[in-house]
Amino acid sequence: QVQLQESGPGLVTPSQTLSLTCNVSGGSISSGGYYWSWIRQHPEKGLEWMGYIYYSGSVYYNPSLKSRLTVSVDTSENLFSLKLTSVTAADTGVYYCARSYGGYYFDHWGQGTLVTVSS
Amino acid sequence: QSALTQPASVSGSPGQSITISCTGTSSDVGGYNYVSWYQQHPGEAPKVMIYDVTNRPSGVSSRFSGSKSGNTASLTISGLQAEDEADYYCSSYTSDSSLVFGGGTRVTVL
Repeated sequence: QVQLQESGPGLVTPSQTLSLTCNVSGGSISSGGYYWSWIRQHPEKGLEWMGYIYYSGSVYYNPSLKSRLTVSVDTSENLFSLKLTSVTAADTGVYYCARSYGGYYFDHWGQGTLVTVSS
Repeated sequence: QSALTQPASVSGSPGQSITISCTGTSSDVGGYNYVSWYQQHPGEAPKVMIYDVTNRPSGVSSRFSGSKSGNTASLTISGLQAEDEADYYCSSYTSDSSLVFGGGTRVTVL
């Protein structure tokens, strides 16, 4: 059974870069057919797809975040990562990593990690 | 990329059926059979309930069903139970190779 676990700082200073990692266990990130995704949820709000990456490095971003977001993959460590630059309070929320089958739906999710942007 | 449109809330009594709509455009919901639905209980990660418009993952109750007509997809919960009280989100693949979620619907069991 594939499991995903987010890790990273819970507090980020405004204008700095938010960096998170998702460790994948129970399966290889290099197994074809899956896109490795980041999704966030603002407090008491809905879900927002941020972007996803294939093990080969092909990456797709939400157009609204594209200028600030970088998603990368490390197949040797079986993990993928997120970097979001120039953060503001509007970037506060729970960040989830998830596996997307074919890039079409999310079949496995991490438990989520709360990131607060504040000085 | 605009969020898909869902009603903010839907309610029903135990045993009843309810339907949640999810309206998009021909560039997302109407253009692809890649609509999925997620259930989220407070403090938990979302869980996929329906994928590819009508398919139910193993382990999901047959009381959950999905459909689509034009630019609107729907999730129906039949035989409503107390455990179904949660937030529900739809999602669709889009023409620019991205994914978009709906705003979410809170289901209340009266």
